[in-house]
Amino acid sequence: GESVGLHLPTLSVQEGDNSIINCAYSNSASDYFIWYKQESGKGPQFIIDIRSNMDKRQGQRVTVLLNKTVKHLSLQIAATQPGDSAVYFCAENSGTYKYIFGTGTRLKVLA
Amino acid sequence: DTAVSQTPKYLVTQMGNDKSIKCEQNLGHDTMYWYKQDSKKFLKIMFSYNNKELIINETVPNRFSPKSPDKAHLNLHINSLELGDSAVYFCASSQAAGGTYEQYFGPGTRLTVT
Repeated sequence: GESVGLHLPTLSVQEGDNSIINCAYSNSASDYFIWYKQESGKGPQFIIDIRSNMDKRQGQRVTVLLNKTVKHLSLQIAATQPGDSAVYFCAENSGTYKYIFGTGTRLKVLA
Repeated sequence: DTAVSQTPKYLVTQMGNDKSIKCEQNLGHDTMYWYKQDSKKFLKIMFSYNNKELIINETVPNRFSPKSPDKAHLNLHINSLELGDSAVYFCASSQAAGGTYEQYFGPGTRLTVT
C-alpha cells in the first residue's frame, strides 16, 4: 500500500551543525510534499513544501530536496539550533484530498 | 488569535462512555480534517470535510461520527469508547481541498480511556 517512511527515527546533532532528515515515499503519482515540525505538546507546524515539478526549494535555514527517481525527500536544516529540537514529519499528497504522513524523526540538538 | 482551536485539551474517561471533541478555525478555510496520532507519533487521517461535506472517511469505526455545523467547525463524537481510542486527536484546516494547500493544525486533544 501507500506509505511514507523515514530512515532515522532519532537524529542527534551538535548545535551549529547542519541536520539532514530523510524520507522515502512509495507513491510515484504523489505531486506535493510538505515537511512539518511538531514540538512537544503541540500540533504539527508547516515548515516548507515542494511540488513534484521542482527538485529543490529553499526557505529560511531550511532546504527541501526531492529526488523523484528514487522517491526520496530530505529536509536540511542549516546551523541547527536548540529550538529546532522536535519531531519532523514528511507528508505526501496521495489523491486529491488526502495526505499520508511519514512515521516521524525526532531531532535532538546537543549543546 | 488562535487559528485552529480544540476543546478540551485533555480528556480522561472510562471505557464505554461517549465523548465529544470540538474544533473551530477562524482562518476562513473551506476544508477541515481530523487526525489521530498514536503513542508512536504516527499521524493518520480520519476524516475530511469540504464545505461541510464529508470527502474522506478513512475506514474509521462507526463509533466515530464527525459533524460539521458550518465551515468553521468540525466536531468529533465518539461512542462507546475503547482502550484503543487513547491517542492525541488533531483537528486541521486548509484553504481548500486538494493537493497543494498547507494544513494548519490545532494543539491537539489527548484522550485517555481507562
